[in-house]
Amino acid sequence: DAGVIQSPRHEVTEMGQEVTLRCKPISGHDYLFWYRQTMMRGLELLIYFNNNVPIDDSGMPEDRFSAKMPNASFSTLKIQPSEPRDSAVYFCASSLLPSSGYTFGSGTRLTVV
Amino acid sequence: AQTVTQSQPEMSVQEAETVTLSCTYDTSESDYYLFWYKQPPSRQMILVIRQEAYKQQNATENRFSVNFQKAAKSFSLKISDSQLGDAAMYFCAYRSQVGLTQGGSEKLVFGKGTKLTVNP
Repeated sequence: DAGVIQSPRHEVTEMGQEVTLRCKPISGHDYLFWYRQTMMRGLELLIYFNNNVPIDDSGMPEDRFSAKMPNASFSTLKIQPSEPRDSAVYFCASSLLPSSGYTFGSGTRLTVV
Repeated sequence: AQTVTQSQPEMSVQEAETVTLSCTYDTSESDYYLFWYKQPPSRQMILVIRQEAYKQQNATENRFSVNFQKAAKSFSLKISDSQLGDAAMYFCAYRSQVGLTQGGSEKLVFGKGTKLTVNP
């Protein structure tokens, strides 16, 4: 298995632009999680899905952030418009049984200038 | 809400020696799951070890073992025979026993991490 695949690995964009981060979970994993990592706040859960349905989006910072999971093999996290404070590493993770832990992707480092 | 605290921002160890990373957590639950994740410079988050709170036996994975003290809400990670490849950020994480199907949440709550340096 190729693991959880995220793209792009790095993204640099200008303030105000739309940014889309992509994730392909491990086949058969029913849960998909989006986390954000910053020096100040550490790892924060943004949203998670179960069977493609959003379950908990309480960590989504504001209306500028949206996430979708149109099918079991693909999810996107969109920021529109982006701001410098959105600069962070965004991780996608998937799990068959969360009590056994997650498998993380390699993350997308987003820089908004 | 559950919280996870890692009180050591940085630690260092000599190659081949043993080091212990600390983690404490706050919860009112009696059953839950605890994890240690490793994040090397490559950025990939890698699951190191997992502990179920209802199991009294401490989990071990090769050179990695935990000291789980439920009453003290402590979950430390011991790395034996440290290797240069062990250099990384280490994160402690908590997951509630009450999962989604029981009206709870599947999310992991992470500590802020400990940066481990291994000196040759």
